[in-house]
Amino acid sequence: KAGVTQTPRYLIKTRGQQVTLSCSPISGHRSVSWYQQTPGQGLQFLFEYFSETQRNKGNFPGRFSGRQFSNSRSEMNVSTLELGDSALYLCASSLALGLAGGLSSYNEQFFGPGTRLTVL
Amino acid sequence: AQSVTQLDSHVSVSEGTPVLLRCNYSSSYSPSLFWYVQHPNKGLQLLLKYTSAATLVKGINGFEAEFKKSETSFHLTKPSAHMSDAAEYFCVVTEYTGTASKLTFGTGTRLQVTL
Repeated sequence: KAGVTQTPRYLIKTRGQQVTLSCSPISGHRSVSWYQQTPGQGLQFLFEYFSETQRNKGNFPGRFSGRQFSNSRSEMNVSTLELGDSALYLCASSLALGLAGGLSSYNEQFFGPGTRLTVL
Repeated sequence: AQSVTQLDSHVSVSEGTPVLLRCNYSSSYSPSLFWYVQHPNKGLQLLLKYTSAATLVKGINGFEAEFKKSETSFHLTKPSAHMSDAAEYFCVVTEYTGTASKLTFGTGTRLQVTL
């Protein structure tokens, strides 16, 4: 079974530009989460999508947005890029993440190799 | 809110000697805890997970971790380090919001293995 794929793997942009990153989850996985990894802040949760709906969001400004398509592929967009947005952006997919109705469950998250974004 | 503290940012061991990577957590609920490993320029791989079953959890590549509620710890161990274990290790705790969950990562411990 193919793993999580992210495109592009490397990207160089300049301040003020916008960027779109893509993530294709493992076949059958409906949950996609995005993370930002930087040397200073470590790994930080951006948002999670499940069945085309954003279910959870981290503490990032509105310049960071995402969406999920009916085939579970996801994109994240960063507008008006800043130097501090330079990071490794990781996508992870899982069968499901959390259940409603007071139950909680965890399905393993499978991570892609990441997209390294450099903002000049 | 949940949080996780990895007590060492860098650990160096000799090949063949034991590995101990320390992790303490804070949680309002019964947590699920995980260890992930990240090799250079690679994504994260799940080593093992604790989800309220056995407190001693065995993972891949000979790693294991013990959940100690009284100490709020989830330390990662391996009896004998191998050169291929050199990587960054992340302790992770989940936070459930009723309909979704979110992973909170520790700051990572870089494991160096020397000959």
